Amino acid sequence: EEQLVESGGGLVKPGGSLRLSCAGSGFTFSNAWMSWVRQAPGKGLEWVGRIKSKYVGGATDYTAPVKGRFAISRDDSKNTVYLQMNSLKSEDTAVYYCITDFRDGYGGNWGQGTLVTVSS
Amino acid sequence: EIVLTQSPATLSLSPGERATLSCRASQSISNYLAWYQQKPGQAPRLLIYDASNRATGIPARFSGSGSGTDFTLTISSLEPEDFAVYYCQQRSGWPLTFGGGTKVEIK
Repeated sequence: EEQLVESGGGLVKPGGSLRLSCAGSGFTFSNAWMSWVRQAPGKGLEWVGRIKSKYVGGATDYTAPVKGRFAISRDDSKNTVYLQMNSLKSEDTAVYYCITDFRDGYGGNWGQGTLVTVSS
Repeated sequence: EIVLTQSPATLSLSPGERATLSCRASQSISNYLAWYQQKPGQAPRLLIYDASNRATGIPARFSGSGSGTDFTLTISSLEPEDFAVYYCQQRSGWPLTFGGGTKVEIK
C-alpha cells in the first residue's frame, strides 16, 4: 500500500526557516514526481511546488508566492522528499501535504499533513 | 494563472438526493480537470481525473463531465459519508490551481 508520512512541522517565528520531510513507501519512489500542497486554516488548497523524477531531469516548479523562498529536493536513496522553507511569513501558516503526482499534475496519494505555524 | 470558480459555495441536500457541483475555468483547459473530496481533519482524496475518469476505488455514484471551461461533478444519490467539501483542480498549466470548494451539507 502506498504511504506518505510528513514530518518537521511546528511553530516558527516570521523570517525563520523550517524543513519538512516526507517519507514514501509502497511504491517506486525514484520514479515518482512529488509535490507539496498547503491549506491555510479554514481555507482552500494551494499547490506549492513539485519535483520531477531524476529520470526526466529532476526539475522543480513553484507557485509565485513561494518562489525564491522555498526549495524542494529529494533523496531517492532514502525515499524522501523535502520542502525547505526560508524567510517564512505569517501567510505561510498552513497544513502542508506531501502528494504523489498522478497523470502529470493530479494529486494521486496524499500524506496526513503537517502543520506549520508562523507566528511571533 | 488559470482561475477555477466553483458553485455553489454550499449545497444543502438530504441523503438520497442528487448533487450537482459546478467548476468553471477562466480559460480552456481541455479535459485536464480533477475532483477531490475532503472530510474534516482529513487529507483530500482524488475522485475524478481528466474530467470524467473515476479514480481507483471510487463508487459509481460519482461521475464527472465537461470539457473546455465548464465542468460538473454529479453524485447520483447522496450517502451519509458523501457530506464533505469538494474541490476541482486543473493540470492544464502551471501553477496547478484549485477551485475554492463546494461544501455539501446535510439539509
